Amino acid sequence: GAGVSQSPRYKVAKRGQDVALRCDPISGHVSLFWYQQALGQGPEFLTYFQNEAQLDKSGLPSDRFFAERPEGSVSTLKIQRTQQEDSAVYLCASSLWGVAGGETQYFGPGTRLLVL
Amino acid sequence: KQEVTQIPAALSVPEGENLVLNCSFTDSAIYNLQWFRQDPGKGLTSLLLIQSSQREQTSGRLNASLDKSSGRSTLYIAASQPGDSATYLCAGMFDRGSTLGRLYFGRGTQLTVWP
Repeated sequence: GAGVSQSPRYKVAKRGQDVALRCDPISGHVSLFWYQQALGQGPEFLTYFQNEAQLDKSGLPSDRFFAERPEGSVSTLKIQRTQQEDSAVYLCASSLWGVAGGETQYFGPGTRLLVL
Repeated sequence: KQEVTQIPAALSVPEGENLVLNCSFTDSAIYNLQWFRQDPGKGLTSLLLIQSSQREQTSGRLNASLDKSSGRSTLYIAASQPGDSATYLCAGMFDRGSTLGRLYFGRGTQLTVWP
């Protein structure tokens, strides 16, 4: 079956623009995660959804970052008034059940955001 | 804050060598540990997942071990091939209540296997 997909794959934004990044998890997966990966670094956690509920958003770096998953499937990560330090690869991952199962997280290809 | 460290940062070996990648973590409340592979411009591919109750997992030429008492995990790659060239990331999940679920990643080991 299809894996996790993300769009767009690449996004160039001018500083101050708003951007929206989309994630389509594996069908039926309950848990959805967003991570941010800066160049040369490992991914860092941003936020986690179980179905449509956002259970952990403590990793979001500022109030300019907002994520939603209104119907418990597709998720959107929105960044308002982008700044150069937001340039990174944004990775989405999903897993079949809630986190207590400690299952494998399956990652999408990421969206590479460049803020000029 | 949980810290996950990987050494070496980069490794270059000739084809056919057996090699070991190291990962260490500071929090003893490890829930599971996962090894990923990342190819340039691509997402992460899960290689092996070790639950805290397990000591090792094997898949083909890959073997990963977990030692909770010392806070270490190793990924062993047997008979390396040029196609193994990639960045290898380890990630820990820690049982700290509300943060369960998030993965804490190391910075990765960039592996090059030359023919």
